[in-house]
Amino acid sequence: IVMTQSPATLSVSPGERATLSCRASQSVANNLAWYQHKPGQAPRLLIYGASTRATGIPARFSGSGSGTEFTLTISSLQSEDFAVYYCQQYKPQYNDWPFTFGPGTRVDLQ
Amino acid sequence: EVQLVESGGGLVQPGGSLRLSCVASGFSFSDYWMTWVRQAPGKGLEWMANINHDGSETKYVDSVKGRFTVSRDNAEDSLYLQMTNLRVEDTAIYYCARDDYGDLPHWGQGILVTVSS
Repeated sequence: IVMTQSPATLSVSPGERATLSCRASQSVANNLAWYQHKPGQAPRLLIYGASTRATGIPARFSGSGSGTEFTLTISSLQSEDFAVYYCQQYKPQYNDWPFTFGPGTRVDLQ
Repeated sequence: EVQLVESGGGLVQPGGSLRLSCVASGFSFSDYWMTWVRQAPGKGLEWMANINHDGSETKYVDSVKGRFTVSRDNAEDSLYLQMTNLRVEDTAIYYCARDDYGDLPHWGQGILVTVSS
């Protein structure tokens, strides 16, 4: 399953809304997670099951979608939110197909 | 507190081998699948391999099949990645992560592997 993300880079100002898209080459149902990754740090799980916030994740992060189209929304961008965001599919497969990440969306300061 | 600590990285020549370790604490290691993820310089995250609770099932991305082997020792709360026939393109930061039904809520800090002559 191939994951694509758009846009590659999103330039936003603090306080603005950011909308990130992720598309799967075939249906993954709701087996979709979102991660935030900053340089020098481990990736951080934000959303799993397409729409469930992970423990400790602020409410300004929300996920939606199912099947092949997914969205991560950051309602009001804070300075600490500038990072690269990845989606990952983990649809159970009865074969050797691996789980896969998308190529990422970089959210930077406008 | 869940902790995952990787070790064993370093500089290796093309064609060489390296074994990464990941020691887990703060949770019942034997209850969870575990996953290896890597990030090459300037690139995105790449899901590499995972292993089930008792080590009887493994899955790999095509680029490492036949060269890398994931294993675990539940008595030692440890996960391993044996890497053989290393290539320059295997240069990356390697992360171990706890696998909660596919999503990855806990990660190690990562270990750098450099493949260069």
